[in-house]
Amino acid sequence: QKEVEQNSGPLSVPEGAIASLNCTYSDRGSQSFFWYRQYSGKSPELIMFIYSNGDKEDGRFTAQLNKASQYVSLLIRDSQPSDSATYLCAVRKSAGGGNKLTFGTGTQLKVEL
Amino acid sequence: DGGITQSPKYLFRKEGQNVTLSCEQNLNHDAMYWYRQDPGQGLRLIYYSQIVNDFQKGDIAEGYSVSREKKESFPLTVTSAQKNPTAFYLCASSTPGTSGGYEQYFGPGTRLTVT
Repeated sequence: QKEVEQNSGPLSVPEGAIASLNCTYSDRGSQSFFWYRQYSGKSPELIMFIYSNGDKEDGRFTAQLNKASQYVSLLIRDSQPSDSATYLCAVRKSAGGGNKLTFGTGTQLKVEL
Repeated sequence: DGGITQSPKYLFRKEGQNVTLSCEQNLNHDAMYWYRQDPGQGLRLIYYSQIVNDFQKGDIAEGYSVSREKKESFPLTVTSAQKNPTAFYLCASSTPGTSGGYEQYFGPGTRLTVT
């Protein structure tokens, strides 16, 4: 079992729809969860992070965390063609260990006109 | 402007040569990291450093070396011992932040091609 798993996609959604990206993790002691957006050929860009169970909203983005189910998701409302990118989920495990992040392989999102 | 710089953007080398990738940050972050990304794969940690003059191996350190003589700088050397050095190399830095989350911020990356 991979430490951080994401569906590779591509996930295709029409413009204006809600895109839902999912991520599961194996370490129950994981503490922090991050979503990065990566355009083709570019470096990852931090979108948002979440530490507590529940929802966290930032503009069109909502991160949802369910530690009991070891599941974190990212919702993108009113999807735009500029949202087309690969979305990486990253997890910071238990305290210590250099605050390393473990990344999933990413989900490719395509927003179609 | 605060940020992380990596140079060069593209680097070409012949097999058997060592090559050093530069990473500089002016964010005053304590921790710095090196990752490699191959097509269709996630990021894999090569080395990381939490403080000056100290660094630890990541998941794929074989064939790489680093130094951390200054807080701002964390150069990565890809040695001839690295079997498959062609990849996209990403440097990142982090700090506890206001929420203690240690979120990492990335430089623009260096694309290394070895032939």
